[in-house]
Amino acid sequence: GQNIDQPTEMTATEGAIVQINCTYQTSGFNGLFWYQQHAGEAPTFLSYNVLDGLEEKGRFSSFLSRSKGYSYLLLKELQMKDSASYLCAVDAPEEEYGNKLVFGAGTILRVKS
Amino acid sequence: DTGVSQDPRHKITKRGQNVTFRCDPISEHNRLYWYRQTLGQGPEFLTYFQNEAQLEKSRLLSDRFSAERPKGSFSTLEIQRTEQGDSAMYLCASTFKVGKSGANVLTFGAGSRLTVL
Repeated sequence: GQNIDQPTEMTATEGAIVQINCTYQTSGFNGLFWYQQHAGEAPTFLSYNVLDGLEEKGRFSSFLSRSKGYSYLLLKELQMKDSASYLCAVDAPEEEYGNKLVFGAGTILRVKS
Repeated sequence: DTGVSQDPRHKITKRGQNVTFRCDPISEHNRLYWYRQTLGQGPEFLTYFQNEAQLEKSRLLSDRFSAERPKGSFSTLEIQRTEQGDSAMYLCASTFKVGKSGANVLTFGAGSRLTVL
């Protein structure tokens, strides 16, 4: 079975730092992704982790611990435009050709001034 | 290349009607995915193609749903005898990938929103 859990909603203040957690249980693992999705729009790629550790990309960083089945997305210097849903997804190959992303329900982040 | 295109963006239909959505992926991408997303949920995998071959189909997909990618380029997703529970955003995504290892970064289209009355 496959299970991906993340908090439903979070609120943070403009300029602050926020950490969005994701835990997963999948039968296979070929990497973990974070996507950002603004209301009514397509998900857009933010980060990819396949090895343990921290990947930094500008104001966004993503961390992975494979042994714990845990990841987090760290957003620094929050801006109002960061208000969006943040989707955690695992690439979980099961079949011979299987390569599909399994998504969590998403965390709605509200940034307030 | 303008990215992944989906058409129509919005479709309102009556229960029992058939609908078809089209997806034009990024031209050099060999893999094409269909996902469904309802309000407050993440995208749910439906099916995917590598070139023209449909390699996997979700067990949740009823036989009212069919997808094709006849020439390995654009794809269509047809829903027959629509039900109110089919109301959702249907997302198409594409990527270029060979084999199972390596990053599988999907580029999503803006989606086709279906409302079944």
